[in-house]
Amino acid sequence: EIVLTQSPGTLSLSPGETATLSCRASQSVNSNYVAWYQQKPGQAPRLLIYGASSRPSGIPDRFSGSGSGTDFTLTVSRLEPEDFAVYYCQQYGSSPPRTFGQGTKVEIK
Amino acid sequence: EVQLVESGGGLVQPGGSLRLSCAASGFTLSSFEMDWVRLAPGKGLEWVSYISRGGSTIYYADSVKGRFTISRDNAKNSMYLQMNSLRAEDTAIYYCARDRGVFDWGQGTLVTVSS
Repeated sequence: EIVLTQSPGTLSLSPGETATLSCRASQSVNSNYVAWYQQKPGQAPRLLIYGASSRPSGIPDRFSGSGSGTDFTLTVSRLEPEDFAVYYCQQYGSSPPRTFGQGTKVEIK
Repeated sequence: EVQLVESGGGLVQPGGSLRLSCAASGFTLSSFEMDWVRLAPGKGLEWVSYISRGGSTIYYADSVKGRFTISRDNAKNSMYLQMNSLRAEDTAIYYCARDRGVFDWGQGTLVTVSS
């Protein structure tokens, strides 16, 4: 089972700044099958990035993903008030379970 | 439109049981693997269980193995999670998810285990 470790645990930033979130896998993720989700209180997770760097339709381009192998990054540029939330990475490159990282909370400074 | 609607959550005493249901619509359930994921208070997302398209392959998180049972009825477009011997640490919002590698999520159902 692949273990995903996210850092930092909490990121304190101001609107307009850039958030850089890290996700490190315990072994290489096949085909860079890493996804990122955003979750706000009382809501289901929302898919932001799949395949490490692809955005589903409707996701603003201030959300970008990068990385390969074991190291992946989610960048949120020009933070908007609605971007303050918890972010999770997930790997789906191996047979189930599709493991999650422990999450990074982006909070208003 | 893909819809996943969970039901069956509620308040239960430690040691009790609950059966969660997930009603799927807008797609053919039999074409997709499915999962249950939970979010406990103050914690992160925790994958709970997986079931293959036909139900022949099943996995559980170690934290629920031997206590929870996942199942599906493709003819009824439904998936289930039978939860027995519930503990306080099982308190969480339980989400059903369509597994296409990435997950499509329901809105969740709250399970509270408390005396």
